[in-house]
Amino acid sequence: NAGVTQTPKFRVLKTGQSMTLLCAQDMNHEYMYWYRQDPGMGLRLIHYSVGEGTTAKGEVPDGYNVSRLKKQNFLLGLESAAPSQTSVYFCASSYGQGVETQYFGPGTRLLVL
Amino acid sequence: SQQGEEDPQALSIQEGENATMNCSYKTSINNLQWYRQNSGRGLVHLILIRSNEREKHSGRLRVTLDTSKKSSSLLITASRAADTASYFCATDGGSNYKLTFGKGTLLTVNP
Repeated sequence: NAGVTQTPKFRVLKTGQSMTLLCAQDMNHEYMYWYRQDPGMGLRLIHYSVGEGTTAKGEVPDGYNVSRLKKQNFLLGLESAAPSQTSVYFCASSYGQGVETQYFGPGTRLLVL
Repeated sequence: SQQGEEDPQALSIQEGENATMNCSYKTSINNLQWYRQNSGRGLVHLILIRSNEREKHSGRLRVTLDTSKKSSSLLITASRAADTASYFCATDGGSNYKLTFGKGTLLTVNP
């Protein structure tokens, strides 16, 4: 099992450009999450999904959109990138009801110029 | 807003010593988790303790939970250089769906 994978690993964008980050998990997990990690800020939840076809806002959702068309995939979109979105983005997934162990991907480092 | 806050922000010890990190949180929880993050990597789950548990062990890790004080501690015994990492506590704040992470403690174990 690959666990949780993220693509791309690193990307440089210019202000105003758009991109999509892909997260895939092969553990048949119901719940999936997108976080961003900034120095001194810890992890902050952007959006999450409790099942295929459902999404919900987290702590810092502005400027991002998500989709969960397939159970194994969770996409994070930036429609018009801003320098404030320079960060490391982590995807995670978890199984079952309640808040159990989350399994994290390796991260995507995004630089917006 | 941060639910969990780790203390200290940074900790430097010698190999073989014990390392203790603390986490304080604000609202009631169902469970509290500890994660480790090596530099440049994703987080890895270490241990989960439920609100009705007071202490839990896993190998060289010992976690305690005091719900009356809304605090938890992570003890790593006989530390190794490979334990060098950032350690995060995460709480559910009563939610069934999501965790809130603290800012982490950076542990450096010197050989």
